[in-house]
Amino acid sequence: EAGVVQSPRYKIIEKKQPVAFWCNPISGHNTLYWYLQNLGQGPELLIRYENEEAVDDSQLPKDRFSAERLKGVDSTLKIQPAELGDSAVYLCASSLAGQGAFDEQFFGPGTRLTVL
Amino acid sequence: AQSVTQPDIHITVSEGASLELRCNYSYGATPYLFWYVQSPGQGLQLLLKYFSGDTLVQGIKGFEAEFKRSQSSFNLRKPSVHWSDAAEYFCAVDYSGAGSYQLTFGKGTKLSVIP
Repeated sequence: EAGVVQSPRYKIIEKKQPVAFWCNPISGHNTLYWYLQNLGQGPELLIRYENEEAVDDSQLPKDRFSAERLKGVDSTLKIQPAELGDSAVYLCASSLAGQGAFDEQFFGPGTRLTVL
Repeated sequence: AQSVTQPDIHITVSEGASLELRCNYSYGATPYLFWYVQSPGQGLQLLLKYFSGDTLVQGIKGFEAEFKRSQSSFNLRKPSVHWSDAAEYFCAVDYSGAGSYQLTFGKGTKLSVIP
């Protein structure tokens, strides 16, 4: 079974440019998460989707970040415009909703963003 | 504030030696507790989790962790480290009481293994 797929794996852009990350969760997983991982830090949740609904986006900087999950499967995270401080790894994870306390999150390999 | 502390940023051990990675959490009630491993260029992989019951939890790859309520700790252990265990290890806590919906991660401990 394929795991969580993310693309691109690496992205280098100039500041003020837009950038987008794509995530394909494990087939059948209804819950999708985007995390931000700064260097030397643990992941921090940006947004959580239940199907196509964003149920927790309290940590998403909405002035420049946006996300969508059309049809409740793939998801895209966008930054516009990017700033130097956005350089980080962006992780996507998915889990099978409805399993209660044993709702393990499976993580993708991440997209490493460098803003110059 | 809810937090997870991993006091050791970097640990180096010899292959075959025992390992203990420390994790402390702050919360009144018992949260759900997790350990993840992240190898270079890889996503995080769940090693083990604790929700309730037996305080000694067995995980994959020969790892175990012990929950100690009195110390608010959930330390990860392995009796004999292999070179392939070199990676970064993250302790995580779910304070929501509903499972893995709201994970708070520690800053991680990088493990280096000397052959």
